Amino acid sequence: DQQVKQNSPSLSVQEGRISILNCDYTNSMFDYFLWYKKYPAEGPTFLISISSIKDKNEDGRFTVFLNKSAKHLSLHIVPSQPGDSAVYFCAASGYNTNAGKSTFGDGTTLTVKP
Amino acid sequence: EAGVAQSPRYKIIEKRQSVAFWCNPISGHATLYWYQQILGQGPKLLIQFQNNGVVDDSQLPKDRFSAERLKGVDSTLKIQPAKLEDSAVYLCASRHGQARTQDTQYFGPGTRLTVL
Repeated sequence: DQQVKQNSPSLSVQEGRISILNCDYTNSMFDYFLWYKKYPAEGPTFLISISSIKDKNEDGRFTVFLNKSAKHLSLHIVPSQPGDSAVYFCAASGYNTNAGKSTFGDGTTLTVKP
Repeated sequence: EAGVAQSPRYKIIEKRQSVAFWCNPISGHATLYWYQQILGQGPKLLIQFQNNGVVDDSQLPKDRFSAERLKGVDSTLKIQPAKLEDSAVYLCASRHGQARTQDTQYFGPGTRLTVL
């Protein structure tokens, strides 16, 4: 039973355009969501997060939107740059789990073409 | 600030052999995690330590995997004996605080294990 799903294994966009990465979750107890970015041969690095008390969080070119009723979140990258090409993982944690335990999706590979 | 250190970076062994991985978290980080990441999948938590105590090891295959964090700092993960399906990247991560807004984990580069 996969509680965090990233249904698109890959996404390809043109440089300068918007990239939209999607994530769905099934556990209604999740209340904190994170996006991580991973380059080959490196560990994931934190990108941006959002608490369930918000529906949007923005950090520079990166914005995360949360739709609690649909149990859906998305990461928008505007404008996309070739250096954004990486695997993006969505992760979620819940107040009923032990502190700091995150459940990860399987990732979406983003390719930004020059 | 130094990041999470892991060694070795790569390891190739034959099935039924033993292997050990080492992790040194960011200084001052009380929480340490070991994840298994199989190709094409997301990281799957194996074990979580808070200082030198185990918080969650529900997904650790205890018949063959073991982990310890004796002094509450660095940690080792061992597989004995290894199976073909253990081929994966083993990631170590650490986390500083316990507040919900500090759920961010900092990952090491991982150890890629190949079992032949």
